Amino acid sequence: EPEVTQTPSHQVTQMGQEVILRCVPISNHLYFYWYRQILGQKVEFLVSFYNNEISEKSEIFDDQFSVERPDGSNFTLKIRSTKLEDSAMYFCASSEAGGRLADGYTFGSGTRLTVV
Amino acid sequence: GDSVTQMEGPVTLSEEAFLTINCTYTATGYPSLFWYVQYPGEGLQLLLKATKADDKGSNKGFEATYRKETTSFHLEKGSVQVSDSAVYFCAPSSGGYNKLIFGAGTRLAVHP
Repeated sequence: EPEVTQTPSHQVTQMGQEVILRCVPISNHLYFYWYRQILGQKVEFLVSFYNNEISEKSEIFDDQFSVERPDGSNFTLKIRSTKLEDSAMYFCASSEAGGRLADGYTFGSGTRLTVV
Repeated sequence: GDSVTQMEGPVTLSEEAFLTINCTYTATGYPSLFWYVQYPGEGLQLLLKATKADDKGSNKGFEATYRKETTSFHLEKGSVQVSDSAVYFCAPSSGGYNKLIFGAGTRLAVHP
């Protein structure tokens, strides 16, 4: 079954450093997303991306965050200057369709980001 | 704004007990509704879905029915197993349908 692949599985970084989280969505999917889950808390929407531009973003997705699809397969989330409160599990997801998302998203297994 | 309310956990059951996890939502438009499951140390897996009123989603013995009149999508299973121990998330699509809104999650612990 097709998978969404995320790397690395765990990243430790110092406060103030830049990190790039990488995702390879399912190949025929056109819509891409990032979510995060702070330990033990709810899953929060960050951003959705379609046709090489952001479709929607949450208030969490401020100027320190950016997303990019640098080639035909990767989808990246960059955090420019990490803060302690950015420590969380970051999930990438993709879907074949937008709209009413009849098939739902396929999620990757996540990248655990620890900011020290 | 759009939101989801799930019953608080943890829910602790004995094997073969009946499970209900309540979920109600507020959403603009006509959302699709999903349940996701997160097993310990893993990512989010789609458990089941329903896209219109009165649809019943089902998978692995779990069921949920899209109740538009009560804006609910309660998850049920007739006989739980230890392997069902996980966190369950109710998630309607939201707004312009470019995202899912997740509930807080309900942790289920099933004991032999």
